[in-house]
Formats: sequence, structure tokens, C-alpha cells
Amino acid sequence: DQQVKQNSPSLSVQEGRISILNCDYTNSMFDYFLWYKKYPAEGPTFLISISSIKDKNEDGRFTVFLNKSAKHLSLHIVPSQPGDSAVYFCAASSLHAGNNRKLIWGLGTSLAVNP
Amino acid sequence: EAGVTQSPTHLIKTRGQQATLRCSPISGHTSVYWYQQALGLGLQFLLWYDEGEERNRGNFPPRFSGRQFPNYSSELNVNALELEDSALYLCASSPPQAEETQYFGPGTRLLVL
Repeated sequence: DQQVKQNSPSLSVQEGRISILNCDYTNSMFDYFLWYKKYPAEGPTFLISISSIKDKNEDGRFTVFLNKSAKHLSLHIVPSQPGDSAVYFCAASSLHAGNNRKLIWGLGTSLAVNP
Repeated sequence: EAGVTQSPTHLIKTRGQQATLRCSPISGHTSVYWYQQALGLGLQFLLWYDEGEERNRGNFPPRFSGRQFPNYSSELNVNALELEDSALYLCASSPPQAEETQYFGPGTRLLVL
């Protein structure tokens, strides 16, 4: 059972427009959420995160919104650039026994930004 | 600052053989994570090592094993290789008390023939 779901496997956006990538989760114990970007033949790179005590975090062109009641978060990229074309993974974190954290990953959304 | 490094970049094996993949974390990071990304699938969590101990294990058979050395580098061993083990194996590290932010290496692409 997928605890973190990225229901859109792919997304195509025109350069300069907004890209919105969505992520839903089922576990109410998640208290930290992250977005990673992955180019082909490379490992994922950390992009932006948000704690469950916030509903918005912004870093340059990237903004993550968290709606806890809906168990939904989204990543907005404005304006989108061709270099943003990559696979975007949503990940959620919760505390486990022994005060350890564990990341649960979505399956990723492939974003294509067209010039 | 050097990032997470993995070796080899590519590995070709045949069914039934064993594969050993290596990972060196970022200096100062104590946790190492292993993930499998098979074609068309997302990141599947394999193993998590911290301070030399296995902290958590994903839903993989026992022929997937590993260890973490005193210098925090890590090995992933896959015994009795099967065709479906062909995948990109990613290693990540995180600093102490900050497991939620992981830094990834470039991966080892394993091909089982």
C-alpha cells in the first residue's frame, strides 16, 4: 500500500508557465515532507522541504504548499524553465521507534518543460 | 565538499552470481541508506545503516544484505542474483539527527544477464 502517492506519472508544461506537482499521503504521523529532483543517470538531489507546522515554504522559484487536512502537498515552480525537466519525487518522514526517522517515497512525476 | 560517491558506476553480472556495491558518505554523515530503482518504478528503500548498525530494512529478501564500516562507508551485497535485480542502486547519506534530508550518490547500474 503506497503511503505517499504521486498520481501523475508525467506532466508537460510550457516554458515560463507554472508547473504544479502534486503529492498525497495517507499516514497522519508524517511530520516532514521533502521534494527531490532527479535527472537521468544521476542520484536525486534535495530541492525543498516543509515541516508539518507550516503550510507554505518558498525558495526562489520553488514553493511547497501543505494541506494537512487533505493530506496533500504540492510543489509549484514559477516560472518553469527547460532545465527543470526531470523526475520529481515527493517524500514524507515520520519518527519511528528509537527516535529514528524513515523516509517514504512516492513513485515520482516526470516533468517536461517545453521551450 | 565531496558528495556521496558510489562504485562501480556500472556492473554486469550473470544469474546466480554475487554483486558488491560500495558507497562513501559525505564527510561527517553517519547514516547511509540504500535504495533500488528498477525501470519504471520509484525509489524502493532497501537498507539503512547508522553508526555501524542496521536501523531499518525494506521489503527485500535476505539475499540483499550490507554493512557499514567504522569510517561510515558501506557495502551492499546481493547474493544469488536474479534477472529482476537489474536496477539502479542508489546510496544516500545524512548527517547525525537529520535523517529526513538525504544526499544521494550517482548510483550503480547493475545489469544481470
